[in-house]
Amino acid sequence: AQSVTQLGSHVSVSEGALVLLRCNYSSSVPPYLFWYVQYPNQGLQLLLKYTSAATLVKGINGFEAEFKKSETSFHLTKPSAHMSDAAEYFCAVILMDTGRRALTFGSGTRLQVQP
Amino acid sequence: DVKVTQSSRYLVKRTGEKVFLECVQDMDHENMFWYRQDPGLGLRLIYFSYDVKMKEKGDIPEGYSVSREKKERFSLILESASTNQTSMYLCASSSGTGGGENTEAFFGQGTRLTVV
Repeated sequence: AQSVTQLGSHVSVSEGALVLLRCNYSSSVPPYLFWYVQYPNQGLQLLLKYTSAATLVKGINGFEAEFKKSETSFHLTKPSAHMSDAAEYFCAVILMDTGRRALTFGSGTRLQVQP
Repeated sequence: DVKVTQSSRYLVKRTGEKVFLECVQDMDHENMFWYRQDPGLGLRLIYFSYDVKMKEKGDIPEGYSVSREKKERFSLILESASTNQTSMYLCASSSGTGGGENTEAFFGQGTRLTVV
């Protein structure tokens, strides 16, 4: 069963436009949730995480995400896209009901920013 | 800063070779992980370890093994490399037991392995 679903493998926005990257999870117990970014030929860098504190989480580079239990979602947003935001973004979870400490990843969304 | 270092950025190996990918972390983390990354599939967990000499299979362990003789080092072994193991391999480490604030994983730069 897919634990993390990212809708849209490619998203294209204009510079200055809103960025919205979607992530839904499936778990009987609210998981810990993460967004990572990967620039070309690089490893993954943590953008932000949700670990059952505030539902609106602010991260680096102006990104934020809101945990919505009723929608089982953790969508990533940024009010105004910059050219440097072009990268691949991964949503990931730690499933608390499995006892496994490893992250389970979605399939990724490649963000393109048009000038 | 936490540092996870993978020994090679790029590797080219021949089919049937035994391949070692090395990973070292410098933050005394208990947990270490090996993932492979393929386009459209995200990152898939191969093996993980919570302690020295401990290992657990992830979601796609077939064709791989691991070794953790020291806390800071976690090696991925391809016993007999095949072309379908051509991929980007990422090592990660984290601390704790999966609960609380210190749950995030830190990643190495990745090793792009090509098997010909």
